[in-house]
Formats: sequence, structure tokens, C-alpha cells
Amino acid sequence: EDQVTQSPEALRLQEGESSSLNCSYTVSGLRGLFWYRQDPGKGPEFLFTLYSAGEEKEKERLKATLTKKESFLHITAPKPEDSATYLCAVQANAGGTSYGKLTFGQGTILTVHP
Amino acid sequence: ETGVTQSPTHLIKTRGQQVTLRCSSQSGHNTVSWYQQALGQGPQFIFQYYREEENGRGNFPPRFSGLQFPNYSSELNVNALELDDSALYLCASRWDRGTDTQYFGPGTRLTVL
Repeated sequence: EDQVTQSPEALRLQEGESSSLNCSYTVSGLRGLFWYRQDPGKGPEFLFTLYSAGEEKEKERLKATLTKKESFLHITAPKPEDSATYLCAVQANAGGTSYGKLTFGQGTILTVHP
Repeated sequence: ETGVTQSPTHLIKTRGQQVTLRCSSQSGHNTVSWYQQALGQGPQFIFQYYREEENGRGNFPPRFSGLQFPNYSSELNVNALELDDSALYLCASRWDRGTDTQYFGPGTRLTVL
């Protein structure tokens, strides 16, 4: 069974204090690893997709990296508006292009204080 | 904006009732998935519809059922509601020959009393 574990559960940072969020996963053949941002009471907002170990993607203050067992979301010089829950999810290879079940971690709640 | 919309925004039902939640996918997306997100947890996969047929289901009982229509809309039906069904219900759509990225709607908050 596919599993995703995120750490820490909650992270409090001062504005400008860089840090990283971790996502450890086990999956029977990785098709893709996804990072989403979720604000309270809203749906997840897509951030990145990573497909193979060594891949990196960046967007503004966020950078996502992938190894064979985990992914990191690095946040550089965060601002209060980066406060949200960050979700990691994996999709397993299922033999066809139509099956898209995502297995999510429980999320990391990030709070950035001014 | 993802182009995925859901209705209603909030819903209150009592135990034993039935509920229908609706989703309108992004134009051109032929695959829709439904997820249940309990408070403080990550979303859990309920099922997926591809070209109007269910082609994948998570660990949810048969009282959770769905439909997908040709106009990119879909429904999630839950019968015999239980207190534990209280959650945020999310739909996500994608194009099966695209980048695998699923785009989520804003969700429907269901409260079962």
C-alpha cells in the first residue's frame, strides 16, 4: 500500500527565516510526486509535479526536490502570505494513463510571523 | 483559478439522510476524482471517473457512488449518512493524456448531525 508521511506536522518561522518541509514516501512504482498548498477551508492549489529522482522545480520562494525515498519543499525567505498547509501526494504507476489516484500525506502547517 | 467549481459550498444533513454534491470540471478534462478530507488530515481518494465510467475506488463503502456526465460535470452521492461522513469533499479534474496534474475545486463542507 502506498504511504506518504510529512514532517514536521507544524512549523513556525519568522519572516525571512528559510527552512524545509519533508515528504517521505513508499509507492509501488512512482508515476509522479505532487506538492499542493491549501488555505483553510479551501481546495488544494497545485504547486509542483516531480517525476524522477534528481528533479528540481522552483516557483518564487519555493523549490521542490525529489530523491528515491523523499521529497523536500524548500522555502527561502518566507513571507506571512506563505502561511498555509502544504500537502504532498504520490501517484503510482498503474499500467494505464487513466488511473490517477493520489495518496496524500497529512500535511505540514506552516505559519510565518512578520 | 482552476476552472473547477463545486456546489453547494456548505451543507448540513442529519444522520441517515442522503446527499448529492456536484462538480463542474475544467473544460476538456475527461477524468474526475473525488476525495474526502477530514479535519486536520490529508485528502483520501474515494473514486475516479473516466469517460463516464468508474475506473478506480478507494476504501469507501458502496453507499458512496458517483456519476460523470458528457458536459464535464459530475456528482458524488452518499446514502445513509453517518456522523463520520462530516468532512470537506473535493473534486479534482485532469486530462488523461496531459501531465497527470489534478486541479482541485474549492470543496463542499458537509456536516452530519
